[in-house]
Amino acid sequence: DIVMTQSPDSLTVSLGERATINCKSSQSVFYSSNSKNYLAWYQHKPGQPPMLLISWASTRESGVPDRFSGSGSGTDFTLTISSLQAEDLAVYYCQQYYSAPWTFGQGTKVEIK
Amino acid sequence: EVYLVESGGDLVKPGGSLRLSCSASSFNFSIAWMNWVRQAPGKGLEWVGRIRSKTDGGTTDYAAPVKDRFSISRDDSKNTLYLHMNSLKTEDTAVYYCTTQRGFFDLWGRGTLVTVSS
Repeated sequence: DIVMTQSPDSLTVSLGERATINCKSSQSVFYSSNSKNYLAWYQHKPGQPPMLLISWASTRESGVPDRFSGSGSGTDFTLTISSLQAEDLAVYYCQQYYSAPWTFGQGTKVEIK
Repeated sequence: EVYLVESGGDLVKPGGSLRLSCSASSFNFSIAWMNWVRQAPGKGLEWVGRIRSKTDGGTTDYAAPVKDRFSISRDDSKNTLYLHMNSLKTEDTAVYYCTTQRGFFDLWGRGTLVTVSS
């Protein structure tokens, strides 16, 4: 199984500041035949279902604010919130869909300072 | 608007059984690959299992902790996904979400709570 490890476990950021979440996979999730990284990011707010933010490591879903961006390749990935807003309070998960069983990172809780 | 609605969550004793349902609306359910993902209290997200569309074979895959105890089925005529859970353990206590899958999980229901306790 591919193990996904996020850092940090929690993050406290001031409104308007940058938040950076890292995700590392135990093996590469890059598929060379199509040059795609099989890595997604989700936002999970209390009392709501998880919401897909980014797929293919860097493709923002329709309707997701452009302050959210994803980067990285192979085994190391980053989710960046460029200017934190109050509504971004949530737990963020990375997930690999390169091979079953599909696995998630342990989550990073983003709090407002 | 497309959506998924889970139901069937309940309090059940260890060793018991339960069936969850997920009703889909406003998209072509029959061609969708469907999954169940769960979240135990205070824990992260855990993939439970998947069923492919019938046109892609309708086969299933399961996570190791639930293999041989849980099974997934679908009724495309009713746009409904099912999770059949047997030999339930206390560690199966979680909110269970159904999701569509295009590789990643793009559409999620709001979840249904299963509590396994004596």
